[in-house]
Amino acid sequence: DGGITQSPKYLFRKEGQNVTLSCEQNLNHDAMYWYRQDPGQGLRLIYYSQIVNDFQKGDIAEGYSVSREKKESFPLTVTSAQKNPTAFYLCASRRQGSTGTDTQYFGPGTRLTVL
Amino acid sequence: AQTVTQSQPEMSVQEAETVTLSCTYDTSENNYYLFWYKQPPSRQMILVIRQEAYKQQNATENRFSVNFQKAAKSFSLKISDSQLGDTAMYFCAFTRPTGNFNKFYFGSGTKLNVKP
Repeated sequence: DGGITQSPKYLFRKEGQNVTLSCEQNLNHDAMYWYRQDPGQGLRLIYYSQIVNDFQKGDIAEGYSVSREKKESFPLTVTSAQKNPTAFYLCASRRQGSTGTDTQYFGPGTRLTVL
Repeated sequence: AQTVTQSQPEMSVQEAETVTLSCTYDTSENNYYLFWYKQPPSRQMILVIRQEAYKQQNATENRFSVNFQKAAKSFSLKISDSQLGDTAMYFCAFTRPTGNFNKFYFGSGTKLNVKP
């Protein structure tokens, strides 16, 4: 099946620890995104990547880091510098190309809780 | 700057009835895409419907249809014959076509409750 997978589904972190959230897609999409969603809120963009080995900061990048070594993978690391990391994290990829095909698809999300 | 506004934080509808969710956006672009996403309690974001700005015809997907008013910058979602499974958060989103990287801009969401 084609799609976007995120792991783990639930993640618990102690204060001061770095954690990495996995995002993998087999849709052959070039662009990938990380969003943060707080309870009852909309989506806020953390980082995005247009192509392999290139990524850009979004609106709330402080305390987060990413890598894009492979087209299929876009892991997000939540560092100890992120002061309030408890949230729901969504990964997405974007189908691009000919007119009429631009669409963003989402993974199932990871819920991160800081203990 | 692009902005997307959903002015209805929460709405309710009786099962089998019709409901309309509102969305307005602000852009100086002429060509762009608009989307409605559904986020049920599972929190998986699901694409409901998309609209290309250059198409005058309103998009339709089964019970879901949009009323796209380009001059008014309005993009409402109509759900006909509401079902209990339609209970979810609904997000309106905007993006410009790719070429240069373009972000997706999301509204703050409307929580829809379908009552039996």
